[in-house]
Amino acid sequence: AQSVTQPDIHITVSEGASLELRCNYSYGATPYLFWYVQSPGQGLQLLLKYFSGDTLVQGIKGFEAEFKRSQSSFNLRKPSVHWSDAAEYFCAVGHNYGQNFVFGPGTRLSVLP
Amino acid sequence: KAGVTQTPRYLIKTRGQQVTLSCSPISGHRSVSWYQQTPGQGLQFLFEYFSETQRNKGNFPGRFSGRQFSNSRSEMNVSTLELGDSALYLCASSASGTETFEQYFGPGTRLTVT
Repeated sequence: AQSVTQPDIHITVSEGASLELRCNYSYGATPYLFWYVQSPGQGLQLLLKYFSGDTLVQGIKGFEAEFKRSQSSFNLRKPSVHWSDAAEYFCAVGHNYGQNFVFGPGTRLSVLP
Repeated sequence: KAGVTQTPRYLIKTRGQQVTLSCSPISGHRSVSWYQQTPGQGLQFLFEYFSETQRNKGNFPGRFSGRQFSNSRSEMNVSTLELGDSALYLCASSASGTETFEQYFGPGTRLTVT
């Protein structure tokens, strides 16, 4: 069965610092990978996705992620964090049929002024 | 284009009651998925509907059910509510045919069971 792990429960960074959120997945075939962000009391917003092709994908709000098949990872990065990036971030893996995604446990990001 | 809407946004029910939540997908989207989000279990997939048919189902008891209408709007029902059903219920829509597409989430319905 597919699974997603996000090793960091909570990360704190200073505003302007770089950010990397880790995501590892277990899936038997080519995965469809996503990063979503959730602000308090809100639904999830899609940041970026990987289906195939270029392993470095660009998303909204200056985020990017790199798919590394050999490491079963899909880490999210941002070169300079803004205070408004404070939120919970979820990595998810989708199947090749249907919309029953498996989500990781999430990483809560705090940003220091 | 309007986003995914969910009603009601907040709900308080008593143990043993039943509840119905509603989701209107993005116009043109035919797939609707439901997720339960709790602090302890995180985001868990409940079920997915496509063209009025349940296509996928998660590992939840039969008290959780859903349906989809011809206009793609979906409802989920929870019968005989338990305290553990307190959660944020998220609906997501997708333009999916048979392939995996990105999902767009609504703001959720916060259900509190007392």
